[in-house]
Amino acid sequence: EVQLQQSGAELGKPGTSVKLSCKVSGYNIRSTYMHWVNQRPGKGLEWIGRIDPANGNTIYAEKFKSKATLTADTSSNTAYMQLSQLKSDDTAIYFCAMDGGILRIIPFAYWGQGTLVTVSS
Amino acid sequence: IQMTQSPSLLSASVGDRVTLSCKAGQNINNYLAWYQQKLGEAPKLLIYNANSLQTGIPSRFSGSGSGTDYTLTISSLQPEDVATYFCQQYNSWTWTFGGGTKLELK
Repeated sequence: EVQLQQSGAELGKPGTSVKLSCKVSGYNIRSTYMHWVNQRPGKGLEWIGRIDPANGNTIYAEKFKSKATLTADTSSNTAYMQLSQLKSDDTAIYFCAMDGGILRIIPFAYWGQGTLVTVSS
Repeated sequence: IQMTQSPSLLSASVGDRVTLSCKAGQNINNYLAWYQQKLGEAPKLLIYNANSLQTGIPSRFSGSGSGTDYTLTISSLQPEDVATYFCQQYNSWTWTFGGGTKLELK
C-alpha cells in the first residue's frame, strides 16, 4: 500500500523559514514525480511545484519561484519543501502528492494528509 | 491556464444525476483531472485524462469533454458524495486547479 506521511504542524514567525517533509512508503520515489499544493483557510487548491526525485529537476508555479524550494532524498524516499521569508499569507495547509501509474501518467494519484503551517509573531 | 468551475455551490437530492462543469482558458487536450475533497481530508483523485476512472472509484462517477469544456457526472448521488470537487488541468508542464464546486444534499 502506498502511503505519504507528512511532518507535523509548524508555527513560524514572519521572515523565517520552515521545511516540510513527505515520507513515501510502498513506492520508490525515483519512479515518480512529487508535487506540493497548498490550501489557504476556506479556499481552493493551489499548485506550488514539482520535483523529479530521480534527477532533482524542478518546476515551480511563477508565484512560488522565490518562496518554495523543493528537494528529495531518494535514500530515505522522502520529499521536502522549504518555505522562506514567511508572511501571514503563507498560513495554509500544505499537501504533498505523487503521480502514479506506468510512466507516471496518473496525476496526483496519492496524497499526504497535509501539514498546517501557521505564520504568526 | 485559468480553470473556471460552475456552479460554485450545488444542492441535490440522493439519487439525482449531478453534473459539474469545468472550463479551461485554452485547449488543454484532455489533460484534465477531477478530485473530491471531503471536509478535513486530503483531495482524492476521481478521474484523469478527462474520462479515465481512477482505480477504486465507484462507477457512478464519470468524466467527459474535450478542448476547453469538461464535465464530471455523478449518475446517482449518494450521501457520501457530499464534498467539494476540483478540476485540474495538466497541459504544458503546468498544473492549475479550478475554484471548486461544493456539493451538498438538498
